[in-house]
Amino acid sequence: DAKTTQPTSMDCAEGRAANLPCNHSTISGNEYVYWYRQIHSQGPQYIIHGLKNNETNEMASLIITEDRKSSTLILPHATLRDTAVYYCIVSFPVSGNTPLVFGKGTRLSVIA
Amino acid sequence: DSGVTQTPKHLITATGQRVTLRCSPRSGDLSVYWYQQSLDQGLQFLIQYYNGEERAKGNILERFSAQQFPDLHSELNLSSLELGDSALYFCASSRGRITEAFFGQGTRLTVV
Repeated sequence: DAKTTQPTSMDCAEGRAANLPCNHSTISGNEYVYWYRQIHSQGPQYIIHGLKNNETNEMASLIITEDRKSSTLILPHATLRDTAVYYCIVSFPVSGNTPLVFGKGTRLSVIA
Repeated sequence: DSGVTQTPKHLITATGQRVTLRCSPRSGDLSVYWYQQSLDQGLQFLIQYYNGEERAKGNILERFSAQQFPDLHSELNLSSLELGDSALYFCASSRGRITEAFFGQGTRLTVV
């Protein structure tokens, strides 16, 4: 079962920052937070992951609260191509014996 | 392009038949994962292989089987197909611990 809670859907105006929240109150000390997205039936795409420090890459920023019970994915300047379902996943590092378990995610609609 | 190749892209077959889906992981990736995505179930983990050995098993039916070959490509075999097996089947691969998984574009299976 997924260990995360995400809003079912969100809207964001094009060019504005999209902030997608995720609650993971039962996260254990060595579990990571992963974010993936899926654009209309394409294969899911890795976005970013983190353990406890904030992370940033060319796609997004990940802000993890100090108690690690929640996090926020930030797309700094959303475009129409960012319309997708965004999945927040808590898991041990990939390639152990605990594969990624996807929940229902947040459907982000970027509006012109 | 994630570097993960799945064939075929589309497959239409009749109930009771058997099909084989193929996945070529990214160069250097030792782990392969199979997922099923149907409209009402979301992304469901089926099975994971690491360097030829089964590592984790999810909600995979007994009618389904998989293997990973010495060249690291993987095949998912689906037999005695039922209408409810119609879905997108995704393969993903990853390199090692604390790393992201890359998904292929999927095989859309339609059972008629």
